[in-house]
Formats: sequence, C-alpha cells, structure tokens
Amino acid sequence: SQTIHQWPATLVQPVGSPLSLECTVEGTSNPNLYWYRQAAGRGLQLLFYSVGIGQISSEVPQNLSASRPQDRQFILSSKKLLLSDSGFYLCAWKLQGGPGELFFGEGSRLTVL
Amino acid sequence: GDSVTQMEGPVTLSEEAFLTINCTYTATGYPSLFWYVQYPGEGLQLLLKATKADDKGSNKGFEATYRKETTSFHLEKGSVQVSDSAVYFCALSGTGGFKTIFGAGTRLFVKA
Repeated sequence: SQTIHQWPATLVQPVGSPLSLECTVEGTSNPNLYWYRQAAGRGLQLLFYSVGIGQISSEVPQNLSASRPQDRQFILSSKKLLLSDSGFYLCAWKLQGGPGELFFGEGSRLTVL
Repeated sequence: GDSVTQMEGPVTLSEEAFLTINCTYTATGYPSLFWYVQYPGEGLQLLLKATKADDKGSNKGFEATYRKETTSFHLEKGSVQVSDSAVYFCALSGTGGFKTIFGAGTRLFVKA
C-alpha cells in the first residue's frame, strides 16, 4: 500500500533562518506531488506541484522554493524565513493521468519567531 | 481561474442534528468535485467525491450531489455525531487534472 511521510512534524525557527521540509512517498511510482500551506483560520493554498523529477511549477511568488531530486521525494525550502511563512505545510500526492484523489501527509507546523 | 466558495464557519450543532455545508464552484469544462475532512492536528483525507453531473458521492453517512446547473456540491448528513467535529473542505480538480483547488474550509463543532 502507498504511504506518505512528511517531516519534521513541528518546527520553530527564527526570522532569517533557512528551512527544509521533506516529503517521501512509498508504494507508487511517478506520482504528482504537491505542497500546500494552511495559514491559521484559512484554507489551503497551493504552493508548488511537480509532475516529474526536476519539474516544478510554482503557484504563488514568494519566499519559498521546491525541488524534486528523486521520483518520490519532494522538498520545500527557504533561504531566509519571514514571519509570514508561519503555517501548517501539507505535502500530498496523487496518481498521474486524471483528477483523482489527493493523499496527504500528516503536516508540518512551522512557527517563525 | 477555477475557484471554490464554501460557507463560512464555525458551524455549531447538537448531536443528531442535520448538517448542511454549502459549496459552489467556478470552473471551465467538467471538473471533479471532492469533500475532504481534517481532524485536529492531522492532514486531510478524502470524505467523498463525484466525477460528473448528477453523481452522488457518499461515505460515513455524508452525501453530496454534483449539480452542474447550480454549480454546487453541498455536503449533508442526516444526524451528526460528536466525532464528526472537524474542518471540512470542498475542492475541485479541473479537466487537466494537475491541480486541486480548495475552498476556505468550514469548521464544524458538534455538542453532546
């Protein structure tokens, strides 16, 4: 069966520090991968998605970047965090080839102080 | 572009009450529609889905019908339980299928 792992689960970082959140999917090949952010009291904002290794589409210009170094690995990064980067970050995957179900990780809660 | 609008919360109900959470969408073509649920401190999980007009998705006593004429996908449950307390997200995935667009979410509180 397929599983998705996301870490770290909780992170407290000072303004200006770097960020790396990692997501790994097991049990499937060539998935579409996604990073969403959920700010307090708000909905889900799509940040990045990827349809293959090295292929990244950015939805919102911002302080963050994403990379897909391997087929089932998706990394969210920042060189210098801002206060506004605080939120709940969710990685997700789905099968290629249609508007199917998204499978989400457990999320990473980032607090920037 | 595509968008989803759902009723603002929070919604507070007593146990065994009837639940409706409204959701409307804007999209070109024929999107697939979803309801996801998020329990406290967790990621989202699919609750139900419908892929074409007049389809009814159902799961765990929840239902939603894909209404193309009113561009709606309202979530209903006849008798809610305390364990249904969560945040509910309406979502759509367009014809291309790459992206899923979510509504703002509706928090539901069910009192015993």
